[in-house]
Amino acid sequence: QKEVEQNSGPLSVPEGAIASLNCTYSDRGSQSFFWYRQYSGKSPELIMFIYSNGDKEDGRFTAQLNKASQYVSLLIRDSQPSDSATYLCAVAGLGNQFYFGTGTSLTVIP
Amino acid sequence: GAVVSQHPSRVICKSGTSVKIECRSLDFQATTMFWYRQFPKKSLMLMATSNEGSKATYEQGVEKDKFLINHASLTLSTLTVTSAHPEDSSFYICSARSGASTDTQYFGPGTRLTVL
Repeated sequence: QKEVEQNSGPLSVPEGAIASLNCTYSDRGSQSFFWYRQYSGKSPELIMFIYSNGDKEDGRFTAQLNKASQYVSLLIRDSQPSDSATYLCAVAGLGNQFYFGTGTSLTVIP
Repeated sequence: GAVVSQHPSRVICKSGTSVKIECRSLDFQATTMFWYRQFPKKSLMLMATSNEGSKATYEQGVEKDKFLINHASLTLSTLTVTSAHPEDSSFYICSARSGASTDTQYFGPGTRLTVL
């Protein structure tokens, strides 16, 4: 069973702070890692993907991957109330399927 | 990013009727499309994976005869909920992937089905 684990939260941070979202996965053969954001009642939208160990930055978002520890994280700098959503971690390997975590609910408090 | 559309966005039907949901990739060819359902405040649940021109692969516990999936072209997949019942009421979301197995999945906006 290939698993992707996320803390369901809720995670609350004050506006302007850094939000840190974590994800672990069980399949060492995983090759691609994705973060999606899902607002209530809407479908997921892609924020970032990362393939290589290390950090990848895109605006206020930074994805961090550590394959040895089977760990991927998403940092949101200068958090805004509009960042309040559920964040889904997804992992893909050589097979045909993505494996999604159950999501972490983030609330940014004004 | 790539655009995936779904139609209809919302449908209400009577128990016993069948409902068809379309999923289209608008600006890329989707070799693989996925169908998910999601209950309120719950995580995505993969129902099936479909590759263009071949039969869909259903997840354990998903009835093939109830949820008919057709992936007739590289830009269109359809999900038909046959003889819908109130317990089928849910948010159905499709996603599409262009090529390599590790390529990004892009999600459609979802279809909210309510069965009376």
